[in-house]
Amino acid sequence: EDQVTQSPEALRLQEGESSSLNCSYTVSGLRGLFWYRQDPGKGPEFLFTLYSAGEEKEKERLKATLTKKESFLHITAPKPEDSATYLCAVRLYTDKLIFGTGTRLQVFP
Amino acid sequence: DAGVTQSPTHLIKTRGQHVTLRCSPISGHKSVSWYQQVLGQGPQFIFQYYEKEERGRGNFPDRFSARQFPNYSSELNVNALLLGDSALYLCASSLSNRETQYFGPGTRLLVL
Repeated sequence: EDQVTQSPEALRLQEGESSSLNCSYTVSGLRGLFWYRQDPGKGPEFLFTLYSAGEEKEKERLKATLTKKESFLHITAPKPEDSATYLCAVRLYTDKLIFGTGTRLQVFP
Repeated sequence: DAGVTQSPTHLIKTRGQHVTLRCSPISGHKSVSWYQQVLGQGPQFIFQYYEKEERGRGNFPDRFSARQFPNYSSELNVNALLLGDSALYLCASSLSNRETQYFGPGTRLLVL
């Protein structure tokens, strides 16, 4: 069964304390891995797309990496405004998107 | 440029009623997808439309239906509402059914 698992479920960081979020997947065929940020009560905001193992993308304090079985979202020196739920999604060969349950990040000043 | 828009923003219905949710994609986008997001969970895929044709369907009952119009806007219909249908309904648009999806703000549906 196609599955996407994110860990940890929740993460509390002090401002400036770097960390990583994990997204592991077991799918029959991968056509891309996506990271989204979601603020409470709002729709997900697109961050990154990764297509092949070894690929990396960066945006401000965020860096996403991809291996054959998992992806990491690295957050360097986070700020309180980085607090949100981070969602990982995998596109299958059927073009269907499967989401993980997300990591709820809280950054304290 | 305007992003994906959805209406209404909030909706309260009672069990057994019917609801129609609407979505306007980003200009130039020809694909629309619908998702249901229950509190604390990731979005669950309901439907995908591309060029007015259904291209994918998730594991939802036949009470859920959708369509895409010639201007690429879309409607999601849910019949015979159940308490468990209470959720945030998200619409996402993309250039095609294989491109990155951009989400709207969602419609919060509460079924009493």
